[in-house]
Amino acid sequence: GQQVMQIPQYQHVQEGEDFTTYCNSSTTLSNIQWYKQRPGGHPVFLIQLVKSGEVKKQKRLTFQFGEAKKNSSLHITATQTTDVGTYFCAGRNSGGGADGLTFGKGTHLIIQP
Amino acid sequence: GAGVSQSPSNKVTEKGKDVELRCDPISGHTALYWYRQSLGQGLEFLIYFQGNSAPDKSGLPSDRFSAERTGGSVSTLTIQRTQQEDSAVYLCASSPGPGGRGYTFGSGTRLTVV
Repeated sequence: GQQVMQIPQYQHVQEGEDFTTYCNSSTTLSNIQWYKQRPGGHPVFLIQLVKSGEVKKQKRLTFQFGEAKKNSSLHITATQTTDVGTYFCAGRNSGGGADGLTFGKGTHLIIQP
Repeated sequence: GAGVSQSPSNKVTEKGKDVELRCDPISGHTALYWYRQSLGQGLEFLIYFQGNSAPDKSGLPSDRFSAERTGGSVSTLTIQRTQQEDSAVYLCASSPGPGGRGYTFGSGTRLTVV
């Protein structure tokens, strides 16, 4: 079945440093979504990417979808303490369970002030 | 409602007892999902409802787990004869429909089996 891998599992950064998490799928995706989960909270939808090579920005966050639609990345510029949390990617293919959406295991972002 | 509502927010139960977890999705959302999240871990898919179609139960870990969705709205996840390994946060999410929309998650039910 489809697998979605995320790296790194944990990332410690100093406040103000940049952060990147990577997502790789074993199959070609129709689209990919990103979610953020604050400590003690629930996942919150951030964005969806659909097109090959697509790049979207939300303030300090930059999301990319690979040309082959099998990988994606989330980059945060100049991290702030409010960025703390776990970032999940979720890839969708044309079939499979849960409307075809498979979540990665997430990257835990820890920020040291 | 304005968001996805789950109840109870916390549930402590004795091993062997049955529990029911409730999810009230956003009004008008036809798709409803149940996930399980163990401490510090990722999201484990359990079951997916879409409109009046037969649910996708491919993620249910055992026959002790079942779920239903009445009238295309409220859903109940039932765990029979609970085991300690069932302890986790059970998250419900809804979306406007299949394919291409972000999920809105509820705050979850934290289940502790003692």
